[in-house]
Amino acid sequence: EAGVTQFPSHSVIEKGQTVTLRCDPISGHDNLYWYRRVMGKEIKFLLHFVKESKQDESGMPNNRFLAERTGGTYSTLKVQPAELEDSGVYFCASSQERGQWRGGEQYFGPGTRLTVT
Amino acid sequence: AQTVTQSQPEMSVQEAETVTLSCTYDTSESDYYLFWYKQPPSRQMILVIRQEAYKQQNATENRFSVNFQKAAKSFSLKISDSQLGDAAMYFCAYRSAGGTSYGKLTFGQGTILTVHP
Repeated sequence: EAGVTQFPSHSVIEKGQTVTLRCDPISGHDNLYWYRRVMGKEIKFLLHFVKESKQDESGMPNNRFLAERTGGTYSTLKVQPAELEDSGVYFCASSQERGQWRGGEQYFGPGTRLTVT
Repeated sequence: AQTVTQSQPEMSVQEAETVTLSCTYDTSESDYYLFWYKQPPSRQMILVIRQEAYKQQNATENRFSVNFQKAAKSFSLKISDSQLGDAAMYFCAYRSAGGTSYGKLTFGQGTILTVHP
């Protein structure tokens, strides 16, 4: 079974440009999460999808970030326009919890390293 | 809001020895989950061990065990018989059992573990 995959693995863009990150969760996982780690800081939650719906987007930093999950499968995270402080590693994770169980494992992808110059 | 603190930025251990990584957290909730994740140099994070707050018994997974002190809000990870493959960054994480943000993992700053042969 394939794990969580992310594309690209590394992206270098200039300030003001647009970048789109993609995440393919493990097949059958309803839950998809985005996190990011800015250099020197802890990993921060961005948002949580349940199928195609946004369950929680409390961690999205501002309206320059737009996340979508088409048909409840893969997800994209677009940053437009990118700023220097957006540099970091963006992680995607997925999980298969259903019902009231909330303690399931989140399976993480390898991350996309975004560098904004 | 919940916070997670890992006070040891770096730790080292000799192969075959035992090491303990510290984690404290702050929450007003009574029901939650705690996790230790491991991120080897290849960057993909994997779950090491999980603890449900309602369980008094400490979780164990082979050479990995936790010391969960709910009243003290402490959740340390003990690695016994350390192996070279245990070298990684270890993250402590908190997750609520309910509410809108139930999917969100709150991470500590991470502890880099070095294993010496």
